[in-house]
Amino acid sequence: GQNIDQPTEMTATEGAIVQINCTYQTSGFNGLFWYQQHAGEAPTFLSYNVLDGLEEKGRFSSFLSRSKGYSYLLLKELQMKDSASYLCAVRQNSPGNTPLVFGKGTRLSVIA
Amino acid sequence: DARVTQTPRHKVTEMGQEVTMRCQPILGHNTVFWYRQTMMQGLELLAYFRNRAPLDDSGMPKDRFSAEMPDATLATLKIQPSEPRDSAVYFCASGLRGFNEQFFGPGTRLTVL
Repeated sequence: GQNIDQPTEMTATEGAIVQINCTYQTSGFNGLFWYQQHAGEAPTFLSYNVLDGLEEKGRFSSFLSRSKGYSYLLLKELQMKDSASYLCAVRQNSPGNTPLVFGKGTRLSVIA
Repeated sequence: DARVTQTPRHKVTEMGQEVTMRCQPILGHNTVFWYRQTMMQGLELLAYFRNRAPLDDSGMPKDRFSAEMPDATLATLKIQPSEPRDSAVYFCASGLRGFNEQFFGPGTRLTVL
């Protein structure tokens, strides 16, 4: 089976730091992805981890622990425009562009 | 700039009618995915193609859904007959084999009454 869990909703203050956690149990693993989706829009790619550790990209960082089946997305210096859903997704099969299994998303609200 | 396009953006139809959704992948991309998004289930894979050949359509209800790629610039998803439980946002995404990122289109929001 496959299971990807993330909190349903989070609220954080503008300028603060927020960490969105994701745990997964899947029949295979070949990479973990984070996507951002604003209300009524398409998901857009944020980050990709396939090895353990932290990947940093500007205000966003993503961490992976394969032994724990755990990842987090860290957003620093939060801005109002960061209010969106954040989707954790796992690629189960061969590397390259193959289908992703998505969690249900974490809706982040950034407040003043 | 290069984008995935989808038509129509919105569709309201009655139960039993045929629905056809179209997707134009980014030029040069050889992998195309169809996903469906609902509040209850989130984003789920329906089907995917590489070089126009279907590789996995296990997520589709076979009795009513069909997906094709008549050519490299067009992917279609058909529902016949449609049912209220098909109401969802249908996303097409494209990418290149050997690369990680999938680029999503704007989606077709389908409502079946």
